[in-house]
Amino acid sequence: KAGVTQTPRYLIKTRGQQVTLSCSPISGHRSVSWYQQTPGQGLQFLFEYFSETQRNKGNFPGRFSGRQFSNSRSEMNVSTLELGDSALYLCASSFGTQANEKLFFGSGTQLSVL
Amino acid sequence: DQQVKQNSPSLSVQEGRISILNCDYTNSMFDYFLWYKKYPAEGPTFLISISSIKDKNEDGRFTVFLNKSAKHLSLHIVPSQPGDSAVYFCAASGFHNQGGKLIFGQGTELSVKP
Repeated sequence: KAGVTQTPRYLIKTRGQQVTLSCSPISGHRSVSWYQQTPGQGLQFLFEYFSETQRNKGNFPGRFSGRQFSNSRSEMNVSTLELGDSALYLCASSFGTQANEKLFFGSGTQLSVL
Repeated sequence: DQQVKQNSPSLSVQEGRISILNCDYTNSMFDYFLWYKKYPAEGPTFLISISSIKDKNEDGRFTVFLNKSAKHLSLHIVPSQPGDSAVYFCAASGFHNQGGKLIFGQGTELSVKP
């Protein structure tokens, strides 16, 4: 069974640009969560989608948005990029919406904003 | 506010000795706790978990202890091996799923020296 796939692996953008990151969950998983990892801050929750609906959202500005498609694939978009958006963006999938479920992570997209 | 805290950013241990990684949490509604391991340029991978109805769970060289009264959990690795060198994240989950399916600590970088 293929794992969680994130594309692209690396991105370099400049301030003010926008970026779209893609995530394909494990086959059969319908829940997708996005996290931002920066040094010293751990994994900060961005949002969670299930069946194309956003179930939960973290404390990030409106420049961060996401969506999920009918095949459970998900995208996140960051508009008007700032230097502080440089981070590793991780996507994770799980089967459903139960609280006590493991998350399975992709390898992430490393975003550098210059 | 940081609901899950790992106060030690790094830990260095000699091969063959015990590694103890600590994690504190503030929300008494958390009822499921997990440890993830992360190598550079890879996504976190699940290591071990524990439900709040238990105080200990073992899996090979890895043991997680939960002290609910102190809101503290720890991961013991015995014996430590150089391949265990990675960043370890603790995570917590609660019924209300506030802040995302899993809430992560900042991570502890473990270095096991031969």
